[in-house]
Amino acid sequence: AQTVTQSQPEMSVQEAETVTLSCTYDTSESDYYLFWYKQPPSRQMILVIRQEAYKQQNATENRFSVNFQKAAKSFSLKISDSQLGDAAMYFCAYGQMNRDDKIIFGKGTRLHILP
Amino acid sequence: DVKVTQSSRYLVKRTGEKVFLECVQDMDHENMFWYRQDPGLGLRLIYFSYDVKMKEKGDIPEGYSVSREKKERFSLILESASTNQTSMYLCASGTPGQASYEQYFGPGTRLTVT
Repeated sequence: AQTVTQSQPEMSVQEAETVTLSCTYDTSESDYYLFWYKQPPSRQMILVIRQEAYKQQNATENRFSVNFQKAAKSFSLKISDSQLGDAAMYFCAYGQMNRDDKIIFGKGTRLHILP
Repeated sequence: DVKVTQSSRYLVKRTGEKVFLECVQDMDHENMFWYRQDPGLGLRLIYFSYDVKMKEKGDIPEGYSVSREKKERFSLILESASTNQTSMYLCASGTPGQASYEQYFGPGTRLTVT
């Protein structure tokens, strides 16, 4: 069975600095998706960034980028120029490319931004 | 914009009560999901549905049932609420096989069972 592990329950970063959130996963599949979701306090969960496993190029969305290491089964999220609005719970997630569309979530990393 | 709404943000129920949590999506998504979120445990899938009247058990279905009579609506039912079902419940929807492969989440219902 697939698993997703986030080893950092909490992290803090100074505003304007860069922070990297770690995620590892386990699967025997070759085609899959990886995601980072953000859940701000008392607000809805939203997708931050997505990576298709068949793509070698790391995904980037503005200040958010990933370091996808397929052989190592590692998928870290880098947030550059951290802003107060980045404070949230971040979930790493894994999804198969099949009909049921199920996603497996890690336990989350709570990110604090220090002014 | 995709919208997923849940019937209540906060709910307080007594042990033994029957509880209904409703979720509605407006994007004609085929798949809908119910998750439970607890501190230190992340999101755990309770049930999902990939079509009207279809349902599949997730990882923690015990004590829950679901209903999907219409494509846009997915209900989670606690037949006899217990204190260990106090939690945040998140609904999500998505369409399988799409390039975006994204699940869209509702705001959550924080349920307290006393």
